[in-house]
Amino acid sequence: DGGITQSPKYLFRKEGQNVTLSCEQNLNHDAMYWYRQDPGQGLRLIYYSQIVNDFQKGDIAEGYSVSREKKESFPLTVTSAQKNPTAFYLCASTGSFEKLFFGSGTQLSVL
Amino acid sequence: KNQVEQSPQSLIILEGKNCTLQCNYTVSPFSNLRWYKQDTGRGPVSLTIMTFSENTKSNGRYTATLDADTKQSSLHITASQLSDSASYICVVSAATGTASKLTFGTGTRLQVTL
Repeated sequence: DGGITQSPKYLFRKEGQNVTLSCEQNLNHDAMYWYRQDPGQGLRLIYYSQIVNDFQKGDIAEGYSVSREKKESFPLTVTSAQKNPTAFYLCASTGSFEKLFFGSGTQLSVL
Repeated sequence: KNQVEQSPQSLIILEGKNCTLQCNYTVSPFSNLRWYKQDTGRGPVSLTIMTFSENTKSNGRYTATLDADTKQSSLHITASQLSDSASYICVVSAATGTASKLTFGTGTRLQVTL
């Protein structure tokens, strides 16, 4: 998947629980992104980071948090404040000519 | 509001046949248009990226066209194979060109059968 590794593949969240999705890239890309994909909808941007120690909210950031302590890593935490977290989550990074490389995704479901 | 609309929503074709997927957009100011292929349960993979000045771009059996005047694009798949079964997503970038300004279509789900 273009050098981007997401884990786990499947994740279950209990009510009131925070869960963290991992995203690691070995492409030496500066910019990384988190998208949410729901059936019948286009991908929506949650958070993005263009450089280490800096990140910006996307269109649907409420109930999510991120960190970017290392260039290679951009973990996403789905907090208990996100009331409808069931979705397919995709991490991506930007290479030359703004080409997006995606990971293989994490399917998050609520128990 | 920037929007990308794709049609048809789903399509079933026989192996070996050709098909064309459509994308209409109202993103402004326009920078580039991309087509991605997404297998079920996987991340999207880039097929083509076209800028304002490009009318056609090919990637193997995939050929994308762009008409910036009418704000329409199409993806033509030639001699379809079973492995072409996937969702095809049209993505349009606003003039800043960063991935933070991308608008995604909902995709066309293609099924190729024997």
